[in-house]
Order: sequence, then structure tokens, then C-alpha cells
Amino acid sequence: DAGVIQSPRHEVTEMGQEVTLRCKPISGHDYLFWYRQTMMRGLELLIYFNNNVPIDDSGMPEDRFSAKMPNASFSTLKIQPSEPRDSAVYFCASSFQGDSHEQYFGPGTRLTVT
Amino acid sequence: QKEVEQNSGPLSVPEGAIASLNCTYSDRGSQSFFWYRQYSGKSPELIMFIYSNGDKEDGRFTAQLNKASQYVSLLIRDSQPSDSATYLCAGARVGTGRRALTFGSGTRLQVQP
Repeated sequence: DAGVIQSPRHEVTEMGQEVTLRCKPISGHDYLFWYRQTMMRGLELLIYFNNNVPIDDSGMPEDRFSAKMPNASFSTLKIQPSEPRDSAVYFCASSFQGDSHEQYFGPGTRLTVT
Repeated sequence: QKEVEQNSGPLSVPEGAIASLNCTYSDRGSQSFFWYRQYSGKSPELIMFIYSNGDKEDGRFTAQLNKASQYVSLLIRDSQPSDSATYLCAGARVGTGRRALTFGSGTRLQVQP
């Protein structure tokens, strides 16, 4: 299996621009998670989906952030407009429906907003 | 108080020694625990998970869980310089419908050659 795939791996953008991050979960996984990691705040859960339906978006920092999962093999996280404080590494992870709760992470997208 | 607490380190051990990484948690509803290894600039990689009290061994790694005392530990035997990384502890509530993991801030391990 190819594992969780994320694109782009690096993104540099100017404040005010729209940013779209993409994720393809492991085939057959029912859950998809978006995380943000910074030195100051560590690894934070932003939102997660089950069978393409958003279950918990309480970690989404504000209305500038939105996430979609139009099908079982694709999800996007959009920031509009972006701000310098959004600079972080954004990870996508996926897991099976079973009881184990194991999550497998993608390589991440390093976002820099100038 | 964070739900999952870890000493940020760095924890420095000589090559060949046992590295002991500890994690405490405040949510008694947490039932499964996970250890992830994260190399600098890379994504978290699952090493082990444990959900029963006691020890679970996998190669050089042993996870220990004590639900009464609310702590989880990871022992790395015969530590190698390649084990130098940040180790993240995470907890999960099983059987509640909630699938999110709660992560600690991580402990940085340095294995000195």
C-alpha cells in the first residue's frame, strides 16, 4: 500500500492568499484526520471524517479554515485568507473502522505564509 | 492540565542502554494508548499500541500500561543512535464512538554513540 498521500509537500504563499492542501487516505480506511503541528502547540487535531462525513470539527481554529471529503479517497483542507500564524506542518492521517484506533500519518505539508 | 503529559526532555542515554519514556494521562476514560516516533522533519510513525494493563513487547520495544496509576511508558532496549527522535504518547477512548487520539507534546530522545 502507498500509505497516506499528501500534496503539496511544501507551500509558500503570501498573506491573504487561498491555500488548499490535499490528502488521499490509505485505501479501505474509513476515518480521515487533519492535524496541525507547531513547536508552540504541538500536534493539534483540526477535524476528522468518518465515511466522508465530518464528525468533529471543534479543532478548526476559525472560519478561515474549511475541510471537505467528497469521496472515500480524497480530502482537502482550505485556508482562505491565509495568515502568517497559519504557518505550520499539516498532517493527514487515516484509520480503519475497527477497535484499535491506530492512525497512520501522511508525510505532511509544510506551509509558510509570509 | 493537559490530558496527556510528557516530559519534553531531551532524554539523553548512551548507546546500548535502556531508554525509558514516560507519559501520564488524566482522562480515566482513555483505554488505548499509542507510541509514535517522529524524526525531525518527518511525520509521526506508529511504533506500538497497548490497551491492557501490563507489558507488551515488540522487538527492542516494550510498552507498559498502569491504568490505576494512569501512566504509560515505553522502554527501548539496546538504544541505538538511530532511535534519536521525538516520541509522542497518545490516548484514545474506545467504544464511545469518538475516534480522536489525544497526543502529548512529546519527549525528545538523544542516544549518544
